[in-house]
Amino acid sequence: GDSVTQMEGPVTLSEEAFLTINCTYTATGYPSLFWYVQYPGEGLQLLLKATKADDKGSNKGFEATYRKETTSFHLEKGSVQVSDSAVYFCALSRESTLGRLYFGRGTQLTVWP
Amino acid sequence: EAGVTQFPSHSVIEKGQTVTLRCDPISGHDNLYWYRRVMGKEIKFLLHFVKESKQDESGMPNNRFLAERTGGTYSTLKVQPAELEDSGVYFCASSQMQASHEQFFGPGTRLTVL
Repeated sequence: GDSVTQMEGPVTLSEEAFLTINCTYTATGYPSLFWYVQYPGEGLQLLLKATKADDKGSNKGFEATYRKETTSFHLEKGSVQVSDSAVYFCALSRESTLGRLYFGRGTQLTVWP
Repeated sequence: EAGVTQFPSHSVIEKGQTVTLRCDPISGHDNLYWYRRVMGKEIKFLLHFVKESKQDESGMPNNRFLAERTGGTYSTLKVQPAELEDSGVYFCASSQMQASHEQFFGPGTRLTVL
């Protein structure tokens, strides 16, 4: 069945460090891939998405590229800020399952000044 | 425009009691989803409404869980009777369309069953 495997956390970085959070998926067909972020005390927000192979999603300095050959959608940011501290969730959905999202376990990121 | 709202934000109940969670989606969003995150684990799908119809309830854990969506607007999720393993954060999300489209999430209801 469909599933998402996400890098275990927590991840602790200093401000301006480089961030990578690994995400791989298992799915039939051609899923859409997402990164959602949950800031403290808030609901999940869409950070970026990609809907087909080789697409790159980007937002707020974060990027992720849909790699079908490696079934991956790793999240990267070149220089993190304290305000990026949050929980990050990788997810997928497919048309045939009516848009239900399959999530990874989430990665807690803490950035220190 | 108001986002997705959920009520209550927290609920603490004893095993065997009943709890009802409410979700108000974004106005005009036909699709409404319920998800649950048990401590430290992934967020799991529970069910999906399109307007007032249940489209997919394959993620509902057992028959102690009952979801409704009156008139295609707000939705409720009732747990009766609650068990210890029902503890977790229950998220509601809504979207205009399915699959590749963004789902807008509420802040969640944290349920603790003692």
